[in-house]
Amino acid sequence: EAGVAQSPRYKIIEKRQSVAFWCNPISGHATLYWYQQILGQGPKLLIQFQNNGVVDDSQLPKDRFSAERLKGVDSTLKIQPAKLEDSAVYLCASSPPSDEQFFGPGTRLTVL
Amino acid sequence: AQSVTQLGSHVSVSEGALVLLRCNYSSSVPPYLFWYVQYPNQGLQLLLKYTTGATLVKGINGFEAEFKKSETSFHLTKPSAHMSDAAEYFCAVDQRGNMLTFGGGTRLMVKP
Repeated sequence: EAGVAQSPRYKIIEKRQSVAFWCNPISGHATLYWYQQILGQGPKLLIQFQNNGVVDDSQLPKDRFSAERLKGVDSTLKIQPAKLEDSAVYLCASSPPSDEQFFGPGTRLTVL
Repeated sequence: AQSVTQLGSHVSVSEGALVLLRCNYSSSVPPYLFWYVQYPNQGLQLLLKYTTGATLVKGINGFEAEFKKSETSFHLTKPSAHMSDAAEYFCAVDQRGNMLTFGGGTRLMVKP
């Protein structure tokens, strides 16, 4: 069974630039999550989708971050414009409803 | 609001020695509890989880954890450390919404 796929794996940008990350969940998983993991900290949930609807985005900085899952399958997370403090690993996870979350390898973002 | 505290950001043990990683949580209701492991440049992998029933939970790679409600703890143990256990370990709680709150992580180092 293929796991959660994420791309790119690494991205370096300058502050005020825009960046987008892509996630393809495990086939059949209705729930998709985006987490931000700052160096030395645990992952923090940014947004949770159930199919193509948002379940929770209370910790998403909506002035600069946006996410979509238009067809209820893959998802894109965008930052516009990026700040230095956005440097982190962005993890995508997916799960069947109310079950174990499976994590992708993450995208490491460095903002200079 | 729930929170997770992992005591000790770094733990070092000798190969063959007991591994003990500590996790305490605060929650208004008994939560579901998880331990994840993260190897360098990889996503998180579930080690074990407690939902209901037996409070001693066995996971993969010889790890186990015990839920102690009176102490609000869910410490992770392994009788004998192996070099391959060197990684970062995260404790997490879920208050039934399938939204995880993670602790800050503990980096386990295993000395030969």
